[in-house]
Amino acid sequence: NAGVTQTPKFQVLKTGQSMTLQCAQDMNHEYMSWYRQDPGMGLRLIHYSVGAGITDQGEVPNGYNVSRSTTEDFPLRLLSAAPSQTSVYFCASSRETEAFFGQGTRLTVV
Amino acid sequence: GQQLNQSPQSMFIQEGEDVSMNCTSSSIFNTWLWYKQEPGEGPVLLIALYKAGELTSNGRLTAQFGITRKDSFLNISASIPSDVGIYFCAGLMPGANSKLTFGKGITLSVRP
Repeated sequence: NAGVTQTPKFQVLKTGQSMTLQCAQDMNHEYMSWYRQDPGMGLRLIHYSVGAGITDQGEVPNGYNVSRSTTEDFPLRLLSAAPSQTSVYFCASSRETEAFFGQGTRLTVV
Repeated sequence: GQQLNQSPQSMFIQEGEDVSMNCTSSSIFNTWLWYKQEPGEGPVLLIALYKAGELTSNGRLTAQFGITRKDSFLNISASIPSDVGIYFCAGLMPGANSKLTFGKGITLSVRP
């Protein structure tokens, strides 16, 4: 049972490039979410989904896009990377009240 | 947006000491969760609390759901070096549909 799997673990992008961070869960959870973690800022919610076909914005959605075509997958797209998006990104999958996190993607935008 | 208050940002203790952390809010929460994050890893759930006044233990960790539903406490007893990490509290507000609110976390260092 893998839980929440994020790929890649590390990524370096040039300003203006686009990329997709992958997230997959095998726990059949309806609710999935993306967070970014910056020093001293805690975990900030980017986007979330309450089920396949349904997504909504979190606290810091600008510059990011999501879709949810299946229960298992919830990819996060950076449309045109900016240095301010340098961060560690976590995907989480929730069973009602408890969230389970992936290992994170450390993204650097130069 | 709504934030949970955790302070101080960092704590330094001696191995063997007990440490207490609290998490406060101006709003009511239905569920309180405590997570630990080790370097290079994602947060891992330590304890979940579902009822006001509830006291729950997980080994050397004990957490309580505050009676007012606006706070929660985590205690680590007899600390050991592997307790180092960032401790986050998280809460679920009424009607939030799995959307958690997180504190900014407390970084715990344990001196051998």
